[in-house]
Amino acid sequence: DAGVIQSPRHEVTEMGQEVTLRCKPISGHNSLFWYRQTMMRGLELLIYFNNNVPIDDSGMPEDRFSAKMPNASFSTLKIQPSEPRDSAVYFCASSRPPTNYGYTFGSGTRLTVV
Amino acid sequence: AQRVTQPEKLLSVFKGAPVELKCNYSYSGSPELFWYVQYSRQRLQLLLRHISRESIKGFTADLNKGETSFHLKKPFAQEEDSAMYYCALRGNTPLVFGKGTRLSVIA
Repeated sequence: DAGVIQSPRHEVTEMGQEVTLRCKPISGHNSLFWYRQTMMRGLELLIYFNNNVPIDDSGMPEDRFSAKMPNASFSTLKIQPSEPRDSAVYFCASSRPPTNYGYTFGSGTRLTVV
Repeated sequence: AQRVTQPEKLLSVFKGAPVELKCNYSYSGSPELFWYVQYSRQRLQLLLRHISRESIKGFTADLNKGETSFHLKKPFAQEEDSAMYYCALRGNTPLVFGKGTRLSVIA
């Protein structure tokens, strides 16, 4: 199993540009999570899906952020327009029942907005 | 509300010394608790689950419901243990993480 796959690993973009982060969860995992990691705030949950359906997006900081999961093997997190304060590492994670197995994380996307 | 507190941002110990990384939680129900480790610029990896009561890489953690704690311990630190350690809680929402403790093992 290749684990949770995220792309790109690094993204540098100019303020105002659209950014799309991608995630492929582990096959058979029915829950998918997007977290953001910063020095100041640590790991914050942005949104999560169960069976491709968004369950809670209360962690999405602004309307500039959106996420989709069109099928069980793919999810995107989009920022439009991007701002310098969006610079962070964005992690995708997936899990399967029972949840006490924990989550498996991807390698993350390091986003820098200049 | 679910909350995880890791009071130490940085912990430095000498190689061979005992290590204890503190974690306290706030949750009114029965929690599921985890420790994750993140080596330099890598993904978070699951280290321990309280439910399994296992020892991984010499680390152990015991859930103390009376003190609402889940401290991570290792009797003899190794240089390769240097990393960020995150305590995480799952109650009735997805995993909530503490701010993390950076462990530095000095040779």
